[in-house]
Amino acid sequence: GAVVSQHPSRVICKSGTSVKIECRSLDFQATTMFWYRQFPKQSLMLMATSNEGSKATYEQGVEKDKFLINHASLTLSTLTVTSAHPEDSSFYICSARIGDREAFFGQGTRLTVV
Amino acid sequence: GQNIDQPTEMTATEGAIVQINCTYQTSGFNGLFWYQQHAGEAPTFLSYNVLDGLEEKGRFSSFLSRSKGYSYLLLKELQMKDSASYLCAVLDSNYQLIWGAGTKLIIKP
Repeated sequence: GAVVSQHPSRVICKSGTSVKIECRSLDFQATTMFWYRQFPKQSLMLMATSNEGSKATYEQGVEKDKFLINHASLTLSTLTVTSAHPEDSSFYICSARIGDREAFFGQGTRLTVV
Repeated sequence: GQNIDQPTEMTATEGAIVQINCTYQTSGFNGLFWYQQHAGEAPTFLSYNVLDGLEEKGRFSSFLSRSKGYSYLLLKELQMKDSASYLCAVLDSNYQLIWGAGTKLIIKP
C-alpha cells in the first residue's frame, strides 16, 4: 500500500516553544492530508484538513493560530504547534487518502510538553 | 448527529474466533473501514466495505449491512499479536471519516 511518513515519532519540548511535525506521502501525491489528535484510550479527533496550495480547514474548537498547517507541495504537509503548553501533549497523526477511499496513516508523533 | 458505536473492550482466547460489532448513524454513507491500532502506534488499514455482504481477507473478515447500519469484524485463529484496538470508521456524504472510539481486544493464552 501507499506510504505516509511522519517525523518526528517522539518529541519533548519546553512549555512556550514551538514544535513542527512533518507528514510526507512517499510514493503518491496527496492533494489533501488530514491531521488528527488522539488522547489516551480515546478515538481519533480530526483537527484539520490540509489542502495543497490553499489554507487548511480547521474543525470547530481547534485554534488555527496555535496549530499552524502548511501544505506547500503535493507530498508534504506540516503541523506546527506554537507556544506549546502541557495540555497540548498528545499523539498527533497525519493521514492521506488516495481518491476518496482508503486512508493511509503516518507513524504518529508523541508530543510531550514539559 | 453522527454516531458510531462499538464495544469498549472485549476479551478472547488465543486460537478462538471473535466478532467485533459496529453500528453507525451518519449523514450519508460512502463506505466503512476497519483499522487496527496497537498501543502507541498509528492505525493500519484492515478492510473497506461499501456494498452489503462479507469480505474475507485471510484470518480477518468484515461484514456490512447498510439497511441496518451495521458492520462486524471477524477475527479467526486469534494470535497474541492481535491484541490491539480495532477502530470502525464511516465515510459520510461529504467524504469525511467519522471514527468510532475503538474496541480494545485482549487476547489471553
